[in-house]
Amino acid sequence: KAGVTQTPRYLIKTRGQQVTLSCSPISGHRSVSWYQQTPGQGLQFLFEYFSETQRNKGNFPGRFSGRQFSNSRSEMNVSTLELGDSALYLCASSFPLAGAYNEQFFGPGTRLTVL
Amino acid sequence: DQQVKQNSPSLSVQEGRISILNCDYTNSMFDYFLWYKKYPAEGPTFLISISSIKDKNEDGRFTVFLNKSAKHLSLHIVPSQPGDSAVYFCAASDSGGFKTIFGAGTRLFVKA
Repeated sequence: KAGVTQTPRYLIKTRGQQVTLSCSPISGHRSVSWYQQTPGQGLQFLFEYFSETQRNKGNFPGRFSGRQFSNSRSEMNVSTLELGDSALYLCASSFPLAGAYNEQFFGPGTRLTVL
Repeated sequence: DQQVKQNSPSLSVQEGRISILNCDYTNSMFDYFLWYKKYPAEGPTFLISISSIKDKNEDGRFTVFLNKSAKHLSLHIVPSQPGDSAVYFCAASDSGGFKTIFGAGTRLFVKA
C-alpha cells in the first residue's frame, strides 16, 4: 500500500499570501488529521476530518481551514500568511475503528517558509 | 493549554543501557496514550500505545507504563541502540480518533 503523500514538500511564500496544502491518505483510510510542528511546540493539532466532515479542531485562528473530498483526500488552506506560520505541516490518516486506538500514519510533511 | 507535557527536551544514553522518557498529562478523560518516534525529514511513526484501563504494555524492547493517579506515563527502551536516536512524542487520544494531543517531544541520543 502506498503511504500518506503530501504535496508540495517545500513551499516559500511571503506575508499576506495564502497557501493550500494537499494530503492523500492511505487507500481505505477515511480519517485525516492535520498538525503543525514548530521547534519547542511539538505537534499542534489543527483539525480532523472524517467522511468530508470536520469532527474536531484545535486552537488555531480562522485563517487556518481545511476540507476533505469524497475520495478522502484533504486540503488545508492558510490565508493571510504570517511569519509565525512557518512550520512543518503534517497530515496523518487512519481507519477509524470504534472503541480502539486508531494508529495514525503520517506523511513526510510540507515545509512552509513565510518570508 | 498544554494537556500533554514532555518536560525533558533531550536525553542522552549509552548504548545497551535503559532509556526512560517521561510524559505528564492533565486531562483524565483520555482513553489511550501513545508514543510516536520521528526521524529527521520523515513523519512520525507509531511506536506503542496503552489503554487508560491498563498500567503496562510491552512490545519487544519497548515498554510503556501508565500511572493514572499521578497522570504520568513513561516509555522504557531496553537495551537502547544507536538506531533509537530520534525524537519521541508522547500523545493522548480519545477512543474515537477525533483528536490526538501531542507533547513537545524529547530528543533521544543513544551513544555507541
